[in-house]
Amino acid sequence: TQLLEQSPQFLSIQEGENLTVYCNSSSVFSSLQWYRQEPGEGPVLLVTVVTGGEVKKLKRLTFQFGDARKDSSLHITAAQPGDTGLYLCAGAPLFGNEKLTFGTGTRLTIIP
Amino acid sequence: DVKVTQSSRYLVKRTGEKVFLECVQDMDHENMFWYRQDPGLGLRLIYFSYDVKMKEKGDIPEGYSVSREKKERFSLILESASTNQTSMYLCASSPMGLAYNEQFFGPGTRLTVL
Repeated sequence: TQLLEQSPQFLSIQEGENLTVYCNSSSVFSSLQWYRQEPGEGPVLLVTVVTGGEVKKLKRLTFQFGDARKDSSLHITAAQPGDTGLYLCAGAPLFGNEKLTFGTGTRLTIIP
Repeated sequence: DVKVTQSSRYLVKRTGEKVFLECVQDMDHENMFWYRQDPGLGLRLIYFSYDVKMKEKGDIPEGYSVSREKKERFSLILESASTNQTSMYLCASSPMGLAYNEQFFGPGTRLTVL
């Protein structure tokens, strides 16, 4: 079974600060996705990274896929209260089926 | 606007009851998934269906069964509910094709088993 560990599990910071969330595995994935989940809702896809070393930017969010495709990071610049939520990474297998492996999650709180 | 809907947002059941959770998607997706979400454990896959009447066990299928009689509807059944099945249950769908196709999630059903 492939496992994805996210760190930190909880993060609470002041508005305007920068932060980085990590997603690590000993397994190789064909691609990695990041989802954000707000209270009372299901997760919503933010980005998919496919190539080792790939960097994608979504406004103040920067996503990076590790060179070996085993890990990923999410960096938020100048965090806003609207960034509050549960962030989940999810890895797609190298071969075969269409099931994703989800990470353990990082609960982010931005304090105004 | 694409949508995945779940029959209940909150549900309270007694130990030993049979529980049905319903999920409907309007995107004509081939794949549908049931997950449970627990703090610190992320999302764990219970069952996956890639076509009508087709199903595949996920990582934690014990104590659960599923039914997919129509493409748009995927039901999760707890044959005899137990307290350790108290959790948030999320349904998702995705189009057939690539493993990294986006999964669209419903709002979840928070189930409490007393």
